[in-house]
Amino acid sequence: EAQVTQNPRYLITVTGKKLTVTCSQNMNHEYMSWYRQDPGLGLRQIYYSMNVEVTDKGDVPEGYKVSRKEKRNFPLILESPSPNQTSLYFCASRQGGEKLFFGSGTQLSVL
Amino acid sequence: KQEVTQIPAALSVPEGENLVLNCSFTDSAIYNLQWFRQDPGKGLTSLLLIQSSQREQTSGRLNASLDKSSGRSTLYIAASQPGDSATYLCAGLGGGSEKLVFGKGTKLTVNP
Repeated sequence: EAQVTQNPRYLITVTGKKLTVTCSQNMNHEYMSWYRQDPGLGLRQIYYSMNVEVTDKGDVPEGYKVSRKEKRNFPLILESPSPNQTSLYFCASRQGGEKLFFGSGTQLSVL
Repeated sequence: KQEVTQIPAALSVPEGENLVLNCSFTDSAIYNLQWFRQDPGKGLTSLLLIQSSQREQTSGRLNASLDKSSGRSTLYIAASQPGDSATYLCAGLGGGSEKLVFGKGTKLTVNP
């Protein structure tokens, strides 16, 4: 089954404790992206990747890092999480100008 | 810079009604426009994708149209059902840009 898999589904952490949210897709898509969704602000893009070793900033990249060492994986790294990074995070992938496929989301709470 | 707007933010209708959700965008050099459905706390599911060369796409009770000249897209839902209750988002992929710009969505409630 074609899918984008994110882990974990829920995560509670404390300020400053490094964390990684994993994202994997099995569709051989070149394009992958991370979004955060906050009430009243909608979906905002954090980082995206056009292909292996090619990444670029989205609208709200501050406080986040990404890497694309393999085509299928695109982890999101928070080196020193802060409470304002509490949000619902989504990974997504697509091929060219085709449909965007989303993961199920990661609800992150930073205390 | 592409901006995508969805009005209204919320809509409540009785079951069985036909309805239209609106999406407007500022940059007519749009590559494609996509409609998504999101259930509470869940991921987004792509419903329909309209390429810039197309005028509309249909899937079951859903029909989406695209008018680049007016900067508008509509999602038509026929014979609405309570199971259609969700938030519907549109997103435009700009010409020359890999960035998909999302509207904030319309929350639809279909009452039995």
